[in-house]
Amino acid sequence: QSALTQPASVSGSPGQSITISCTVINGDVGNYNLVSWYQQHPGKPPKLIIYEATKRPSGVSSRFSGSKSGNTAALTISGLLAEDEAQYYCSSYTRTRVFGGGTKLTVL
Amino acid sequence: QVLLVESGGGLVEPGGSLRLSCATSGFLFSDSYMSWIRQAPGKGLEWLSYIGPSSGHTNYADSVKGRFSISRDNAKKSLFLQMDSLRADDTALYYCARDEGVSGVDYWGQGTLVTVSS
Repeated sequence: QSALTQPASVSGSPGQSITISCTVINGDVGNYNLVSWYQQHPGKPPKLIIYEATKRPSGVSSRFSGSKSGNTAALTISGLLAEDEAQYYCSSYTRTRVFGGGTKLTVL
Repeated sequence: QVLLVESGGGLVEPGGSLRLSCATSGFLFSDSYMSWIRQAPGKGLEWLSYIGPSSGHTNYADSVKGRFSISRDNAKKSLFLQMDSLRADDTALYYCARDEGVSGVDYWGQGTLVTVSS
C-alpha cells in the first residue's frame, strides 16, 4: 500500500506563495489523478480544496492550486492570508484511501 | 444543505464495543460511497473503511480489519460503524464522510469522540 510523505511544517508571510509537497512512497501518483488536498482548521472537520490533483471544488479560492510531477503532488497557496493558517493533508485513492501525515502552515 | 451528524461515541473500556451512527441529509445518500475516517487527539487523519452504494463493496484499513464493520441503511440515509475489541489506540474523533474516490472526500460530519480507557 502507498504511503504519503509531507513536510511537517511550512511558513510564509502574508502575500507570499508557499508550496506543500506530497511524495508517494511505493506507488505512482504520476499516471493517475488520484491526489486530493484538505485544509483543516483547529476544531473543525477537514475541507476538500483540491481533487484529482489539480481541480478545485466550487467555492474554493483560486489562490489554491494543485500540481503533480512523477511521484510527487504539490499544493500551492498564493497571496497568503492569515486565514490560510491551518493543517493541510494530501490523500491518494486507489483501492483504499491513504492520508499524508499533514503539514502545519504558519502565516508569519 | 448537506448535513452529516455522527453519534454513538463515548467512553468504553478496552475490549469493549461501540456502534457509531451517521445521519445524513442534503445529498443523494443512496448513490454515494461513504467512509469513516478518524483523527486521534493531536494527530493526523486515518481512513478506516468505505462502503459502496449498495453495501456490496466494502474495504477496511489493516488497523481495523476484523474488528470494525461498516454498514448502511439507504432508506434511513444512515451510515454505521460497529467497533469491537476496542483498544486504547482507537481513541479518536470519528468522522463520517462522503467519499468520491479520486474526486476526494467532499462532505464531512463534525465527528463523534470515542475514548477507550479503563
